[in-house]
Amino acid sequence: AQTVTQSQPEMSVQEAETVTLSCTYDTSESDYYLFWYKQPPSRQMILVIRQEAYKQQNATENRFSVNFQKAAKSFSLKISDSQLGDAAMYFCAYKRSGAGSYQLTFGKGTKLSVIP
Amino acid sequence: ETGVTQSPTHLIKTRGQQVTLRCSSQSGHNTVSWYQQALGQGPQFIFQYYREEENGRGNFPPRFSGLQFPNYSSELNVNALELDDSALYLCASSLLRGDLYGYTFGSGTRLTVV
Repeated sequence: AQTVTQSQPEMSVQEAETVTLSCTYDTSESDYYLFWYKQPPSRQMILVIRQEAYKQQNATENRFSVNFQKAAKSFSLKISDSQLGDAAMYFCAYKRSGAGSYQLTFGKGTKLSVIP
Repeated sequence: ETGVTQSPTHLIKTRGQQVTLRCSSQSGHNTVSWYQQALGQGPQFIFQYYREEENGRGNFPPRFSGLQFPNYSSELNVNALELDDSALYLCASSLLRGDLYGYTFGSGTRLTVV
């Protein structure tokens, strides 16, 4: 079974600084998707960024970028120029590709605090 | 886009009772998934419905069941509630290939079993 591990229960960052959240995963599959989701106090899961395993290029979305190391099964999220609105729980998630695969497997999350 | 709406937002039930949670999917989405998020944990996959049929299930007992309706709204039913069923229940709608086209999550129903 696939597992996703987030080893940092809590992180903090000064406003305007950069922070990196770690995620490792375990899978025997070669084709899959990885995601970072943000869950603010409103509880709604919001997609931050998505990476397809077959793509070597790291995904970026404005201030958010990932460092995807397929061989090491590592998928870290870098947030640049941190803003107060970035404060939330962040979840790393995995999904196997292909027909018959339906579920997202989430890590336990990292609580990010942004210090003004 | 109307997003995903879940009701109720909070609910308190007694152990042994039954509960029904509701989800209204985003317009055009034909697939709905349900997740259970215990306090301090990541969400865990319960099951998925596509065109009114369950087509995937996680490691949850049969007392967790669901329905999806032709208008793509859906329900999660839990029978014989246990204290460990206390959690946030999230609904996510998507097109069948959610990994390609994205999932839209609701804000969840917080269920407390006493």
